[in-house]
Amino acid sequence: EIVLTQSPATLSLSPGERATFSCRASQSFGDSLAWYQQKPGQAPRLLFFPASNRAAGVPARFSGSGSGRDFTLTISNVEPEDFAVYYCQQCYEWPLTFGGGTRVE
Amino acid sequence: EVRLVESGGGLAQPGRSLRLSCAISGFISENYALSWFRQPPGEGLEWVASISGKAYGGATNYAASVRDRFTISRDNSKNLAYLQMNSLTTGDTAVYYCARDSDDHGGYSLAFDFWGQGTVVSVSS
Repeated sequence: EIVLTQSPATLSLSPGERATFSCRASQSFGDSLAWYQQKPGQAPRLLFFPASNRAAGVPARFSGSGSGRDFTLTISNVEPEDFAVYYCQQCYEWPLTFGGGTRVE
Repeated sequence: EVRLVESGGGLAQPGRSLRLSCAISGFISENYALSWFRQPPGEGLEWVASISGKAYGGATNYAASVRDRFTISRDNSKNLAYLQMNSLTTGDTAVYYCARDSDDHGGYSLAFDFWGQGTVVSVSS
């Protein structure tokens, strides 16, 4: 199965700062990657699929990039509502797998 | 408005069974694949099972950890999806989410654009 490794595990930021976090795959799979945001007590929310295509309603301060094995999610100016956990998920093959998440606090 | 609402969670003893339901509204359910995910307390997300839409014959896929114990199914006439969970273990304790695949032809994009709020399953003696 494809293993996804997210880094860092935790990112400590202040509103207005730039957030950049990584998702690295154990094998290459083009851009078949999704990013999700999850706030405490809530279901995940789709942010990007494929890797650089913003989902409906996602603010422009969010951007996704990458292909192959290395992917990046960037928040250009962190807003208070962006403090959450972010997960990557490969959409390439069964079994579907997620990274361990990056907490933005 | 697209909605998925899970129910059927609760407390079960090891070895027992539970059936989760996912009530679907706001879209034509048979046109979309549906999946179940779970999230153990304080941990990350784990895919559990998926079922394709009507056009793809309701084909199913399972995570290795639940294959032969869990069964995903759907009743398109009732706009419901199910997860039958047998031989439960403490490792199955989690919030279980139902989610819609973003492909609108019944196949799989394997990305999920709408999620329910989840139902809690606790397995303990």
